[in-house]
Amino acid sequence: QQQVKQSPQSLIVQKGGISIINCAYENTAFDYFPWYQQFPGKGPALLIAIRPDVSEKKEGRFTISFNKSAKQFSLHIMDSQPGDSATYFCAASREGYSTLTFGKGTMLLVSP
Amino acid sequence: EAQVTQNPRYLITVTGKKLTVTCSQNMNHEYMSWYRQDPGLGLRQIYYSMNVEVTDKGDVPEGYKVSRKEKRNFPLILESPSPNQTSLYFCASSLSRDNVYGYTFGSGTRLTVV
Repeated sequence: QQQVKQSPQSLIVQKGGISIINCAYENTAFDYFPWYQQFPGKGPALLIAIRPDVSEKKEGRFTISFNKSAKQFSLHIMDSQPGDSATYFCAASREGYSTLTFGKGTMLLVSP
Repeated sequence: EAQVTQNPRYLITVTGKKLTVTCSQNMNHEYMSWYRQDPGLGLRQIYYSMNVEVTDKGDVPEGYKVSRKEKRNFPLILESPSPNQTSLYFCASSLSRDNVYGYTFGSGTRLTVV
């Protein structure tokens, strides 16, 4: 049973555009939702995270939107740049548990 | 520099030949974990450890073993590797139980079993 579903699998965006990646979860006990960014040849790195007590969190050009009732959250990358080209993973975990459940990943390509 | 170090980065081996992938962190993290990454499947957890001598199975533990004798080290052991274990493996560590500070991942070990 896939607990975190991520879409799309791949995404091409023009430079300056908005990249949007969506995730949906099933387990209502999840209460921590991070996004990880992975460049080729590297391990994933924490990008931004949100807890369900807020509906949005913004850090620079990156924003997480969270909809608790729909059990969905999304990553928006504003003014996308070629340097943002990477694979993005959403994830979820629950209080008291360190285990992260990851989505399958989205390969983002930002064309110059 | 705070980091998770995996070795080797690349490994080609034959079916049935026991191998160990080492993982070491220098951040005094209690929590460590192994993931495998496969195309179209994302990151799947193999094993994790909450502290020294405390380990537990993740989602795909079959064919793997781990040990946590020291806080900084968490080796992944494949006693009889098979071709379906060909994958990209990542070790990760975390300071806090509730992930507030996120995982720190190693750079990965690309394993090919022929």
